[in-house]
Amino acid sequence: DTGVSQNPRHKITKRGQNVTFRCDPISEHNRLYWYRQTLGQGPEFLTYFQNEAQLEKSRLLSDRFSAERPKGSFSTLEIQRTEQGDSAMYLCASSLLAGEVTQYFGPGTRLLVL
Amino acid sequence: ELKVEQNPLFLSMQEGKNYTIYCNYSTTSDRLYWYRQDPGKSLESLFVLLSNGAVKQEGRLMASLDTKARLSTLHITAAVHDLSATYFCAVDAAGGGADGLTFGKGTHLIIQP
Repeated sequence: DTGVSQNPRHKITKRGQNVTFRCDPISEHNRLYWYRQTLGQGPEFLTYFQNEAQLEKSRLLSDRFSAERPKGSFSTLEIQRTEQGDSAMYLCASSLLAGEVTQYFGPGTRLLVL
Repeated sequence: ELKVEQNPLFLSMQEGKNYTIYCNYSTTSDRLYWYRQDPGKSLESLFVLLSNGAVKQEGRLMASLDTKARLSTLHITAAVHDLSATYFCAVDAAGGGADGLTFGKGTHLIIQP
């Protein structure tokens, strides 16, 4: 199965620590998206890349958050100085550039900030 | 700001019954997606609707899009327990995936034997 993969699947950290998540998209997909989902809510868009270029950032993405996609392959999302409000499921999705542009989601990384 | 509203948010129904989930959105868009999410799992793509009047069916689920009314529906026919899940609609306001998708809050569906 060559779907979207994310690591780690779970992360528990203490407030103030930095965390980094990784996403490996479907290999031929140009676009890669990050979303955040809290309990009982739909996913909220954070940012997206087309190849290695970060083209859009939501206002939800504070300056403590940074995302990269070196060489247009995998992506990392780093949260610095974590806060309890950062606790959520972080979802990565990827899509082709054209056609139906369906976003295929990975299994997510569940973050708990204590 | 784009708003996507689903109703109902919670639905408990019996096997064998029919029901419809509604998704209203506040801005012009001709791309709408339906996803399914099982507890603790990620999202599974169900349907992509790309034009006014689009209708797609898969098994007991049928989705439709009315871009003039800014409304999509997900119809469940003769529900079975395996369809219990949370269903999300999502709108691509910018077109072509730019700006990401805006999701509704989801409809939590429980189908009882």
